[in-house]
Amino acid sequence: QITLKESGPTLVKPTQTLTLTCTFSGFSLSTTGVGVGWIRQPPGKALEWLALIYWDDDKRYSPSLKSSLTITKDTSKNQVVLTMTNVDPVDTATYYCAHSRGYRISYYFTYWGQGTLVTVSS
Amino acid sequence: QSALTQPPSASGSPGQSVTISCTGTSSDVGGYNYVSWYQQYPGKAPKLMIFEVSKRPSGVPDRFSGSKSGNTASLTVSGLQAEDEADYYCSSYAGSNNWGVFGGGTKLTVL
Repeated sequence: QITLKESGPTLVKPTQTLTLTCTFSGFSLSTTGVGVGWIRQPPGKALEWLALIYWDDDKRYSPSLKSSLTITKDTSKNQVVLTMTNVDPVDTATYYCAHSRGYRISYYFTYWGQGTLVTVSS
Repeated sequence: QSALTQPPSASGSPGQSVTISCTGTSSDVGGYNYVSWYQQYPGKAPKLMIFEVSKRPSGVPDRFSGSKSGNTASLTVSGLQAEDEADYYCSSYAGSNNWGVFGGGTKLTVL
């Protein structure tokens, strides 16, 4: 059974760095074709694609946020970490991590975490 | 502004069929057969309903089907049921410089 769970601060001040951790079970991020992605959703708004890391450490980012995002993995701990620098109130959203399958560009998000709401406010 | 365009809302009566469109460009939807669809209930995480344009994961009812023509992908829900009332999002691979994009979402109402 695949499960994912996001963790991190619920409140962050503007200009600070946000660090979110996705802890998963039921799969290995060293298995060919597997990835973990991050997606966010501002309150009442649409999903937004953020980043994706593959089993071989290939990393992909949203072009609009690439300069502020870093995604890393710790295979031994079954964790994926997303950091976002210089946050702004517009970054207030529920952040989801998700397991991806499909080889490279044919990926799709099969299982999702419950999401964690992050508020950016002074 | 989302990269893929979906109608904000769609509706149908129980038993009817409804189709939700997802319009992109030749750089995303039209260029690859890597469109997926997600269902989301209020306050819940999205759930994969369709991948690679028309494939259904195990456990998803065959009332849900996907297709694509040119730069527009579609999700059709046949035999509408009350439990189908939710938000639906499309997503596509969009090239090496823009790995993934979502649509703006469509709220499906079962009348």
